[in-house]
Amino acid sequence: DGGITQSPKYLFRKEGQNVTLSCEQNLNHDAMYWYRQDPGQGLRLIYYSQIVNDFQKGDIAEGYSVSREKKESFPLTVTSAQKNPTAFYLCASSFQDRSIFSAFFGQGTRLTVV
Amino acid sequence: AQKITQTQPGMFVQEKEAVTLDCTYDTSDQSYGLFWYKQPSSGEMIFLIYQGSYDEQNATEGRYSLNFQKARKSANLVISASQLGDSAMYFCAMREGFFGNEKLTFGTGTRLTIIP
Repeated sequence: DGGITQSPKYLFRKEGQNVTLSCEQNLNHDAMYWYRQDPGQGLRLIYYSQIVNDFQKGDIAEGYSVSREKKESFPLTVTSAQKNPTAFYLCASSFQDRSIFSAFFGQGTRLTVV
Repeated sequence: AQKITQTQPGMFVQEKEAVTLDCTYDTSDQSYGLFWYKQPSSGEMIFLIYQGSYDEQNATEGRYSLNFQKARKSANLVISASQLGDSAMYFCAMREGFFGNEKLTFGTGTRLTIIP
């Protein structure tokens, strides 16, 4: 089945460590996105990518890094420079066909700093 | 300035009643799109409905309809005949940017609780 897979579902990190969250899609979508969600809050855009080997900063990119070496994959690294990384992270992909635009989300990764 | 504004942090509605969730947006783009997503306690984001800025008819998907008022820059979600399973967070989102450089911006959400 086509979809977006995020792994792991739960992730625990010690302070000072970098961690990488995986996002893979087999929908053949060009655009991919990473969002952060804090409890009771909306989604805030971290990074997004429209094509392979290119990506743009979103509203809260500091302390995060991404790569887009393959169309299917858009991993997010939470670096030690991110002061408050505990949050729920959602990956999405989108496509546009004429006037139709669709965006789909993965199941999310819940990151906790211990 | 907020791109997407949802002014109702929480709503309580009796089962089987209709409910309207408010959303206003701000953009200078001519071409944009508006979405509504549902997020149950599991955290997944479930797509509900989409309205393009050039669509003249209001979008409908089953019990969901989008009341699109372009001049007022509002895109309210209407859920008819609410059910207990409708209890969740609801997010309004906007697609903006030109083709090849688009992004989705979300509001802060409305927590809807359906009362039996």
